Amino acid sequence: DTAVSQTPKYLVTQMGNDKSIKCEQNLGHDTMYWYKQDSKKFLKIMFSYNNKELIINETVPNRFSPKSPDKAHLNLHINSLELGDSAVYFCASSQGLAFSTGELFFGEGSRLTVL
Amino acid sequence: AQSVAQPEDQVNVAEGNPLTVKCTYSVSGNPYLFWYVQYPNRGLQFLLKYITGDNLVKGSYGFEAEFNKSQTSFHLKKPSALVSDSALYFCAVRDVGTNAGKSTFGDGTTLTVKP
Repeated sequence: DTAVSQTPKYLVTQMGNDKSIKCEQNLGHDTMYWYKQDSKKFLKIMFSYNNKELIINETVPNRFSPKSPDKAHLNLHINSLELGDSAVYFCASSQGLAFSTGELFFGEGSRLTVL
Repeated sequence: AQSVAQPEDQVNVAEGNPLTVKCTYSVSGNPYLFWYVQYPNRGLQFLLKYITGDNLVKGSYGFEAEFNKSQTSFHLKKPSALVSDSALYFCAVRDVGTNAGKSTFGDGTTLTVKP
C-alpha cells in the first residue's frame, strides 16, 4: 500500500508542450511538497502546501502551477515546457509545519524528459 | 537562512569497515536534522533525525548520527559497512519555527561500499 504515489513515472515530451504530474498520499499528512532533482542529483524545493494552502513558492517560473484539491492530493502542471525542465520531480508529504518534527515521505519520482 | 553542506561528493569504504558521511549545517535558530538515503531510480527514504536530547541518534539499517552543536555537524556513521549500503545520502536541516517547515537538503554524498 504505497504511502506517496506519483503518476506518471516517466514523461517524454516536446518543448512547448504542457504536462501534468499527479501526487496522492494516504498517510493523513497535512503538508505536501514538490521537489526537483536535477541531473547532478541536487534536490531543490519548489512548492509546499498545507491543508490546500500554498505555503512555500521558491521562485519557480510561473509556467509551473501547483494545485491541491484536498490535503491528500498535490498536482503539478507545467506549461510551455523547456529543455531545462528535464529533471526528476518528487512529491513528498509530512505532518505539520514550522514546529513539526516530522520527516518527509517521498514518492518514487516522475522523470520528465523534454526533447 | 538555513543551509547544509556535505563536503564530500563521494565516499568509498571496504565492506566491514566503519563509514562516516559528513554534514555541517547553518541555521539561525535551533535545528532539526535529518538523514535520507536514495537508491538508484527510487525516492528518498528517511534514515534518522535529531530533534532534541541525546546527541547520538540511532536509525534504520544500523545507521547512527552524532549531533555536535559546537561544530554545527551531524555526521552519519555505521560501524560496519555493507555492500547494500551503497547509495546516495542526503543530509537535511529544518530551522525550528521558521521557514514554514521548509527542509533544505545538502548536495548529497555517494557512498560506495566495495566487497
